[in-house]
Amino acid sequence: DTEVTQTPKHLVMGMTNKKSLKCEQHMGHRAMYWYKQKAKKPPELMFVYSYEKLSINESVPSRFSPECPNSSLLNLHLHALQPEDSALYLCASSQRTRGTAYEQYFGPGTRLTVT
Amino acid sequence: AQSVSQHNHHVILSEAASLELGCNYSYGGTVNLFWYVQYPGQHLQLLLKYFSGDPLVKGIKGFEAEFIKSKFSFNLRKPSVQWSDTAEYFCAVSGGSYIPTFGRGTSLIVHP
Repeated sequence: DTEVTQTPKHLVMGMTNKKSLKCEQHMGHRAMYWYKQKAKKPPELMFVYSYEKLSINESVPSRFSPECPNSSLLNLHLHALQPEDSALYLCASSQRTRGTAYEQYFGPGTRLTVT
Repeated sequence: AQSVSQHNHHVILSEAASLELGCNYSYGGTVNLFWYVQYPGQHLQLLLKYFSGDPLVKGIKGFEAEFIKSKFSFNLRKPSVQWSDTAEYFCAVSGGSYIPTFGRGTSLIVHP
């Protein structure tokens, strides 16, 4: 199984709402990532979890709050978002061995619209 | 720090034409290189990767790429494109970190 799943596929939320995005993988990968992607642009790294610990936060505003409850699951909690946060949110995973890079497997993304 | 540039931002071809998309990276040490594709409405998929060994790498769907260390390049090629190759193509490099850096992407449109 080389699949990364994400739910929901689409999400519309108001600026005062609280919602969560979910990502799951069962490949035994120990690195998981959140990216934000605008149309026709490359993915922008937001957060990286390595062995369930947050290892990178790319200066993301606190209205985005990641969580990694276990090695297979990654959440992104959203609160008080702005319209400019509307984008495709991608989850990815990869093996993680010190000093070695592996390819990332991407999920289909959650299309988020903030109204 | 690692960086990657893709020089062709938009490419328009007719079916059966040959394709070459440029990718150059900047990093002084050992690198791992990737090409990802994103078809319209679909998620990013790995086309091919280079870690070590033969610098000519073959990927899925007839794509190949050649790592030329002296030129810091990893260009993507396909001898004959199809309409279904219409997509965004992203080159990515990871050097000292396992986190890849993505290029800005190339939008390929293939006319039938």
